[in-house]
Amino acid sequence: AQSVTQPDIHITVSEGASLELRCNYSYGATPYLFWYVQSPGQGLQLLLKYFSGDTLVQGIKGFEAEFKRSQSSFNLRKPSVHWSDAAEYFCAVGILFSGGYNKLIFGAGTRLAVHP
Amino acid sequence: KAGVTQTPRYLIKTRGQQVTLSCSPISGHRSVSWYQQTPGQGLQFLFEYFSETQRNKGNFPGRFSGRQFSNSRSEMNVSTLELGDSALYLCASSLLAGGNGQETQYFGPGTRLLVL
Repeated sequence: AQSVTQPDIHITVSEGASLELRCNYSYGATPYLFWYVQSPGQGLQLLLKYFSGDTLVQGIKGFEAEFKRSQSSFNLRKPSVHWSDAAEYFCAVGILFSGGYNKLIFGAGTRLAVHP
Repeated sequence: KAGVTQTPRYLIKTRGQQVTLSCSPISGHRSVSWYQQTPGQGLQFLFEYFSETQRNKGNFPGRFSGRQFSNSRSEMNVSTLELGDSALYLCASSLLAGGNGQETQYFGPGTRLLVL
């Protein structure tokens, strides 16, 4: 069955420190992978996505993620965290249907706190 | 270009009532998906609509239904509300061009439903 695992429920980092959020997926076909961020009371904002090609993808707000097929991982990184990055982060895999569209299966999310 | 809009943003209902939520996709987007977000179950896929047709449905009871209009706007309806239906309901739209599954879903701010 398809699934996404985000092992860390909560992470706390100091402002200016580097960040890595982990994501592992289980999907038999070529995965379409996404990272979304959600601020309190808000919807989901797309940070970045991987469909094919270069396994290191750049996103908005200085985030990047690396797809590693051998490890079934798609970890999110940022070299220097800002206080405004405090939010909940969701990794998702797009499940492809015969009509050429996908539905998203989400991980449980990682809540990031940033200390000044 | 305006993003995905959802109305209302907040809703309070009592058990047994029914509710209708509305979603307007990004202009030109033809696919609309709905997701339910709760603290216990996380983000779960409800259903997806394209060209006024429901193409896929998640594992939810028949009390949850939806429809899409010719202008791609979508509504979802929940009948005979239960306490467990309290959640953030998120709508997402995608362009659905190409049909190869490499679609990105863009989310609205959500409708927060509280069932008393």
